[in-house]
Amino acid sequence: SQQGEEDPQALSIQEGENATMNCSYKTSINNLQWYRQNSGRGLVHLILIRSNEREKHSGRLRVTLDTSKKSSSLLITASRAADTASYFCATLRAGGTSYGKLTFGQGTILTVHP
Amino acid sequence: EAGVAQSPRYKIIEKRQSVAFWCNPISGHATLYWYQQILGQGPKLLIQFQNNGVVDDSQLPKDRFSAERLKGVDSTLKIQPAKLEDSAVYLCASSLVGLAGGPHEQYFGPGTRLTVT
Repeated sequence: SQQGEEDPQALSIQEGENATMNCSYKTSINNLQWYRQNSGRGLVHLILIRSNEREKHSGRLRVTLDTSKKSSSLLITASRAADTASYFCATLRAGGTSYGKLTFGQGTILTVHP
Repeated sequence: EAGVAQSPRYKIIEKRQSVAFWCNPISGHATLYWYQQILGQGPKLLIQFQNNGVVDDSQLPKDRFSAERLKGVDSTLKIQPAKLEDSAVYLCASSLVGLAGGPHEQYFGPGTRLTVT
């Protein structure tokens, strides 16, 4: 079953605008990761945030994590047409014998118009 | 550094036929994963190997799917017999992590798009 749920399912913006995607999850996590998938290609790891972190930056990406609300957001600033892709959050469950099992959400389809 | 390699990239078969996918992970990566991604959904883990041992295959339909990772490097995923609902992209990923612990950042291959008619 999918642990994460992304919101919105689809997002359409103009180049230069910011894009925000949200992810909610159900169980306690070790970390949360965001991946990007371009049409017809595999997934690319973007950024990882640990459960004891609240915010993380990487280039034009900013990720926040609120473990009390079991939610995360991904902000892409100054978007470009090349950012057009599907974005997935994936959670690594805390404890147990998960051995690195990531559970992916359904994804947000981002379209950036030139 | 070479990425995760997969072949074939595309495969079309009829239902009840068999098919096999191959994956070569990034050199030195102990953990290998096979995911199934149905159109419009996120990837779903089918099986996870730690070296050549299975760690998690709870979501693998074992009556028709099988996978192996001989010598702890390359891996093959087989479907026999295929059903229409097996149409999906099959993604292979690998990561450095050994035992439980570490960030488990995963590196994905380009995937194999399977169409069952």
